[in-house]
Formats: sequence, C-alpha cells, structure tokens
Amino acid sequence: DAKTTQPPSMDCAEGRAANLPCNHSTISGNEYVYWYRQIHSQGPQYIIHGLKNNETNEMASLIITEDRKSSTLILPHATLRDTAVYYCIVRVAARSGNTPLVFGKGTRLSVIA
Amino acid sequence: DADVTQTPRNRITKTGKRIMLECSQTKGHDRMYWYRQDPGLGLRLIYYSFDVKDINKGEISDGYSVSRQAQAKFSLSLESAIPNQTALYFCATSGLRETQYFGPGTRLLVL
Repeated sequence: DAKTTQPPSMDCAEGRAANLPCNHSTISGNEYVYWYRQIHSQGPQYIIHGLKNNETNEMASLIITEDRKSSTLILPHATLRDTAVYYCIVRVAARSGNTPLVFGKGTRLSVIA
Repeated sequence: DADVTQTPRNRITKTGKRIMLECSQTKGHDRMYWYRQDPGLGLRLIYYSFDVKDINKGEISDGYSVSRQAQAKFSLSLESAIPNQTALYFCATSGLRETQYFGPGTRLLVL
C-alpha cells in the first residue's frame, strides 16, 4: 500500500470547518483513499472513502486533488465530539487486492470551545 | 446489540500465562482482523482472515496465534504472555467493500 503523510496534530474552533490534509504522492491508479477516526480509546470508525471524485456523506466531505497525490477531509461544522485521531489510508479496492488496511499514526484533531 | 463484540474488555495476567481474546460479529462478514495499539501509536495488524479456511500473518504476528472457529468468531491467543504485549487489542470485520467495523477493544495488562 502507498504511504501517507499527515500532520501529527491540529486544532479547530468549535463550529468551524476542520480541514485535515493527507499526502499520498505514490498512490497507484487503483488505490482508494480511506478515512477513519478513533475517539479516545474506542475502536476506529469509518468516515468516508473515494477514488478520484470528491465524495460527501453525512459525516464529512473528501476532496481529492486532480493528480490524486493529496486529499483533504473536511468536517464542515466541527463539534467537541469530533475530537479524535484521524487516519488517512490508501489501499486497493477489496475485489482486486487482498491486503488489509494499514494504519499510520494519524492526525490528532482537537476541537476547542 | 453491538455488531462486533470482544471479550473480555479488560484483562490482567501474569508473564508466562496463556490467554485468549475472543471476537464475535453479527454483520455476516467473511473478513476478520486483529490489531494491537500501543499508547500514542496507530494500529498494527497482528493477523487477518478472509474466510474460515484462510489465515494470514500481519505485521506483528510473533508471540500470537489465532483461530477462526466459524465465520462469526475469530480468537487471538497469547501462548506465553510477556509484558511488552501489554496493549489495547481491537478486532475488526469487513465485507467485500473493505469498510472495516471495529469492536470496542480489549485492554490487556501483562505483569
């Protein structure tokens, strides 16, 4: 799987958008970008994933650059409950590969009141 | 009821003891995983199984073994526990879409 680079920590004011960057300059054409988060010591939670188009769901938006070398996870209105470690992971789609997800150290997002 | 359950949630054991951590899922997924997490670090994969007849070593399998008793059950064993296996252990499952669903974790302390 391609390696990802994320800042170790970020702060965001409550109610503002949180923009979490991720660099994946060696991503291959068939690799997806996945985002998970881990709140305190709970099990990680899936947020969103995409291949090349921007994606949005009820939790977040994912913006992938045209060259696919980086992406940004956007939490549009961050709340205190969004304080967590956010993991950016790239991997091939399950049907075309058998390697599981590989978690790095992620970005620790602190939402401040 | 939770889709992925882990037992026990907390465990204290002594060096040299054999222990088993259990994971059950009701999502009907074929794929199951065991991870460990150490303070301040990300998750590291121990073992994974893509079906009941398929077991694969992950990044840090030494000192661990697993058993896939059924589609819904995947157990992790520490044959002879040592203090540096003190960690938070997570089980996860996934279907073909590879979105992984995690259990609540088991906190293990080896004295």
